[in-house]
Amino acid sequence: QKEVEQNSGPLSVPEGAIASLNCTYSDRVSQSFFWYRQYSGKSPELIMSIYSNGDKEDGRFTAQLNKASQYVSLLIRDSQPSDSATYLCAVNVGKNILTGGGNKLTFGTGTQLKVEL
Amino acid sequence: KAGVTQTPRYLIKTRGQQVTLSCSPISGHRSVSWYQQTPGQGLQFLFEYFSETQRNKGNFPGRFSGRQFSNSRSEMNVSTLELGDSALYLCASSLGLGGGGTEAFFGQGTRLTVV
Repeated sequence: QKEVEQNSGPLSVPEGAIASLNCTYSDRVSQSFFWYRQYSGKSPELIMSIYSNGDKEDGRFTAQLNKASQYVSLLIRDSQPSDSATYLCAVNVGKNILTGGGNKLTFGTGTQLKVEL
Repeated sequence: KAGVTQTPRYLIKTRGQQVTLSCSPISGHRSVSWYQQTPGQGLQFLFEYFSETQRNKGNFPGRFSGRQFSNSRSEMNVSTLELGDSALYLCASSLGLGGGGTEAFFGQGTRLTVV
């Protein structure tokens, strides 16, 4: 089983619709979860972070986390053509007892989103 | 506030050579992580440095190494280059502490081509 799994897509939604992107992870001790957006030929851009169960909203984006089900999702409301990109789910599996931090992001393979006019 | 700066942006090297990539993190960030991105394997973690110490390591051969300087700038070195090392190498910067301090921001990357 892959550590972080995403449906590769492409996921096609009409402009103005809600896009729903899903991700599951296998490491139960993970505490930090992220969504990145990557346009073709560009580097990943952080769009959402979530650390506790429930929903976190930021503008048109809502991240949802369910640690019991080991599931993270990203909703994009009022989807725009400019949202067309690959969305990467990342889980921080880094562990460092001394500093309480530790960054070791494990990425899913990404879901390609296409927002159609 | 300046973002993460990686140099050079593009490199072409010959098999067997070595290469050094550089990353300057966001001011105040103490953690620098390196990732390799290829079409076949996606984004894979190489290593993380925090306060000049390697704090986490991925599953890459010893040909891949790194270091971090006192000003948090980091370098990554790949020795004895192989064709399979052709990839986009990304550096990510974060505060390095727990919780929100783990948010990582990527540089533009260095595109390495090995011929």
